[in-house]
Amino acid sequence: EAGVAQSPRYKIIEKRQSVAFWCNPISGHATLYWYQQILGQGPKLLIQFQNNGVVDDSQLPKDRFSAERLKGVDSTLKIQPAKLEDSAVYLCASSLVPGETQYFGPGTRLLVL
Amino acid sequence: RKEVEQDPGPFNVPEGATVAFNCTYSNSASQSFFWYRQDCRKEPKLLMSVYSSGNEDGRFTAQLNRASQYISLLIRDSKLSDSATYLCVVNSRTGNQFYFGTGTSLTVIP
Repeated sequence: EAGVAQSPRYKIIEKRQSVAFWCNPISGHATLYWYQQILGQGPKLLIQFQNNGVVDDSQLPKDRFSAERLKGVDSTLKIQPAKLEDSAVYLCASSLVPGETQYFGPGTRLLVL
Repeated sequence: RKEVEQDPGPFNVPEGATVAFNCTYSNSASQSFFWYRQDCRKEPKLLMSVYSSGNEDGRFTAQLNRASQYISLLIRDSKLSDSATYLCVVNSRTGNQFYFGTGTSLTVIP
């Protein structure tokens, strides 16, 4: 069974630039999560989708971050404009149903200069 | 107060030792509990779920204490390959929000 796919794996940008990350969850998983993991910390949930609807985006900095899952499968997370403090690993995870085991993708490592 | 708190360590133990990690959570309505393992520069992977009755998987034992609001992970007969960061994860049924601890770093020394 294929796991969660993410791209790109690495991205270096300058502050105030824009960047987008892509995630393809495990086939059949209705729930998709985006996390931000800053070095030395645990993952922090940014947004949770159930199919193509947003379940929780309370910790998403909406002035600069946006995410969508238009067809209920793939998802894109965008940052515009990026700040230095956005440097982190962005992890995508999926689960069959909410509250159950989450499977993580390899993450996108973002460095903002 | 943080939703989930863990001692970040680091824990440095010799091979064969027994080591235990604790994790406390603040929301008494929390429903699901997990331990994830994260290797350096890798994604978190599920180690085990934590059930009310406690559960064991080989050298790993997880326990839940709802009255004191903490979960624990015990690793017996530590192997070099156990070196990693162990993340405590708590799920609140309200909104199915998952909260991760900061992780506890373990290094098993030859």
